[in-house]
Amino acid sequence: DVKVTQSSRYLVKRTGEKVFLECVQDMDHENMFWYRQDPGLGLRLIYFSYDVKMKEKGDIPEGYSVSREKKERFSLILESASTNQTSMYLCASSPGGAGGPREQYFGPGTRLTVT
Amino acid sequence: DAKTTQPPSMDCAEGRAANLPCNHSTISGNEYVYWYRQIHSQGPQYIIHGLKNNETNEMASLIITEDRKSSTLILPHATLRDTAVYYCIVRVRTETSGSRLTFGEGTQLTVNP
Repeated sequence: DVKVTQSSRYLVKRTGEKVFLECVQDMDHENMFWYRQDPGLGLRLIYFSYDVKMKEKGDIPEGYSVSREKKERFSLILESASTNQTSMYLCASSPGGAGGPREQYFGPGTRLTVT
Repeated sequence: DAKTTQPPSMDCAEGRAANLPCNHSTISGNEYVYWYRQIHSQGPQYIIHGLKNNETNEMASLIITEDRKSSTLILPHATLRDTAVYYCIVRVRTETSGSRLTFGEGTQLTVNP
């Protein structure tokens, strides 16, 4: 079974803090994604990576950065947390290569509260 | 990506088949139909996908109409653990690997004892 793990299920941080969210997958997938999910707004893509050290902006990258130094690990960084970044953060991975969009496997999510 | 329309909610009795419809009338020939679900407070879970032919796996069956304008996800024997929001997504085949997922509002399926 594909396993995607996230470093924390719940996190509370103060405004202005630097926040690191870690995601690890064990299936040797090329692609990794960070989404946030908010009521009424659905799932929104923040960043994705299709290879080590490669990254692409998603729909809402402002206020976030990412790091992918190893294939299995994809980190989301909130440089200076703000209250509007309170959300559920979801990491996903999928196989790469051509041949059509591939299914994505999600971690359990991190519910971040910024106070 | 084509827009999809799903009913906001459905109920199903435990042990019966749950049939979840999805309309995607603007689908184009190179777009796949994907289904995911999300149980409360968990990450989304991939269920099944198809292009033209009906598909079946250990979780569900996917029936796509001949004109591909609609599809139905079938959970053959629903259990209480199948209570979740079910998302139907239509996605274009791309050359790049980083194809994003966009979830709409989905269908809240409630399986009743």
